[in-house]
Amino acid sequence: ETGVTQTPRHLVMGMTNKKSLKCEQHLGHNAMYWYKQSAKKPLELMFVYSLEERVENNSVPSRFSPECPNSSHLFLHLHTLQPEDSALYLCASSQVAGNEQYFGPGTRLTVT
Amino acid sequence: ILNVEQSPQSLHVQEGDSTNFTCSFPSSNFYALHWYRWETAKSPEALFVMTLNGDEKKKGRISATLNTKEGYSYLYIKGSQPEDSATYLCAFANTGNQFYFGTGTSLTVIP
Repeated sequence: ETGVTQTPRHLVMGMTNKKSLKCEQHLGHNAMYWYKQSAKKPLELMFVYSLEERVENNSVPSRFSPECPNSSHLFLHLHTLQPEDSALYLCASSQVAGNEQYFGPGTRLTVT
Repeated sequence: ILNVEQSPQSLHVQEGDSTNFTCSFPSSNFYALHWYRWETAKSPEALFVMTLNGDEKKKGRISATLNTKEGYSYLYIKGSQPEDSATYLCAFANTGNQFYFGTGTSLTVIP
């Protein structure tokens, strides 16, 4: 057990839907991350939160909206996604930003 | 977009063989170099985090070295076992809290 949980594990959504991915860490860490894993591509960092403050990443489309209400929870709100957004979305946490990361099991997202 | 290159892309070795992989990364704005092991149907698991030029880390049969001046890291596995089969990822962390992962080296250890 990594101490990082993600729900749901699988999600199928239409392009007009709104859904949210949830991540929770039970490790007392101060940094949390969202990654996207597309087929045949490297893990792509989407967002970083350190002490509940977001590190800007301007390359992520606005249809992805993160939320970090406290140091243990991280959400990724999804709206009007495109089929190319279908991927594995991984959450991770670390004691502080830059330290080794502990990953959750991921959410397999399919956009139809 | 920064390029983090890993080679080889895939590798098949016999049980008992020793092997090594390479990770190349930019040498500017360096903060840390991470290695992770990602087994099928599991989450990536941290192996090493290295921050200093010349760092050498070891965990059991696995070790890693770091050269920040020339921008490369090697991961070594001594006496490979079937349970070492996984994808090995490296990640370059810069001073701006950004992480850039390579595409990984897929290792298969044949019993």
